[in-house]
Amino acid sequence: GENVEQHPSTLSVQEGDSAVIKCTYSDSASNYFPWYKQELGKRPQLIIDIRSNVGEKKDQRIAVTLNKTAKHFSLHITETQPEDSAVYFCAATPGYSTLTFGKGTMLLVSP
Amino acid sequence: EAGVVQSPRYKIIEKKQPVAFWCNPISGHNTLYWYLQNLGQGPELLIRYENEEAVDDSQLPKDRFSAERLKGVDSTLKIQPAELGDSAVYLCASSLDPSGGASDTQYFGPGTRLTVL
Repeated sequence: GENVEQHPSTLSVQEGDSAVIKCTYSDSASNYFPWYKQELGKRPQLIIDIRSNVGEKKDQRIAVTLNKTAKHFSLHITETQPEDSAVYFCAATPGYSTLTFGKGTMLLVSP
Repeated sequence: EAGVVQSPRYKIIEKKQPVAFWCNPISGHNTLYWYLQNLGQGPELLIRYENEEAVDDSQLPKDRFSAERLKGVDSTLKIQPAELGDSAVYLCASSLDPSGGASDTQYFGPGTRLTVL
């Protein structure tokens, strides 16, 4: 089955800096890669996703890049704000199937 | 549009007791998922339904866990008997249909935090 590795487990940045979270996956058949943000005690919420037919997708301050050859994808957050502080999860699936999640990255943005 | 609804939000029970969780997916979503989330970890799938059919229950501990999705809408997840190690957050999610494309997007409920004493 799919295996997703996520790094780093914790990331501390100053407000206004950029943050990058990286994930690798094992199943070359995976074609859908969502990113979820989970605030303490809240539900995971989809913030951006990418499919294997594109290499990059951007939504305001958030972008995701995908390298199918290397089987890794990354989340980029620019101009970080304190409200970006949360746990971020990457996930992968070959479609019609189970999402396999990474273990999460706790992002701390200091004012 | 209402999101995925789960109840109860919190449950505290003693070990060996039974417990049940309920989920109401987003209207029109055919696929429903139950996940287990331990502290500091990502969600792990327990069971996936397409309409009323359980199509992936390979990770469900069937000796004590059971689930049903009657009429292909609401779902219940049951544990009997509960063990100390079952303490976790149980998340329900739903997606539009299993045909791929944008319908892969899963929307999560707020979860039920179970504490087994």
